[in-house]
Amino acid sequence: GQSLEQPSEVTAVEGAIVQINCTYQTSGFYGLSWYQQHDGGAPTFLSYNALDGLEETGRFSSFLSRSDSYGYLLLQELQMKDSASYFCAVNSGNTPLVFGKGTRLSVIA
Amino acid sequence: NAGVTQTPKFRVLKTGQSMTLLCAQDMNHEYMYWYRQDPGMGLRLIHYSVGEGTTAKGEVPDGYNVSRLKKQNFLLGLESAAPSQTSVYFCASSSPSSGIHSYNEQFFGPGTRLTVL
Repeated sequence: GQSLEQPSEVTAVEGAIVQINCTYQTSGFYGLSWYQQHDGGAPTFLSYNALDGLEETGRFSSFLSRSDSYGYLLLQELQMKDSASYFCAVNSGNTPLVFGKGTRLSVIA
Repeated sequence: NAGVTQTPKFRVLKTGQSMTLLCAQDMNHEYMYWYRQDPGMGLRLIHYSVGEGTTAKGEVPDGYNVSRLKKQNFLLGLESAAPSQTSVYFCASSSPSSGIHSYNEQFFGPGTRLTVL
């Protein structure tokens, strides 16, 4: 089977940096995706890592280590609007994405 | 482009009643999915479809049926609603993966909040 583990909650201060970790167990691994979901909203795609290393998109970066079955999402210069739930998801090719249970990020002043 | 739309946005049912949730996408995506989201449980896949006329079971299919008669529509049916089916239901669509560098990005609809009394 496939499983993903990520912390259920994280709290960070506005302007700071926060890292949300994700470990996975799966077969046929293509890559790791990250989705953001604000309260009452729909999940939206943030980033995708197929190869080891860091991918940067503005204030957000995502990292993957295939050998460690581990990835993380890094949010810099945190803003109040970054308060949301963040889901990692495994892409195994032409099978549905498998999502983690999500990490609820609270940004405080 | 409207993207992925869901009908209705809210619904309250009594136990035993039936209903159909409609999902429509205008991105010509081959794949469509139905998820339910409950507090602390993340997104759980109910059923999915890899093309018109095809459906497959996901992680939590019991109590639900689906149909994909047209490529752009994916229907989720509850034949006899139960309180355990109170949830937020999301539909999503995507293109087939074209390899390791394919994002396989899923586009989600706004959700349907269903309460079963």
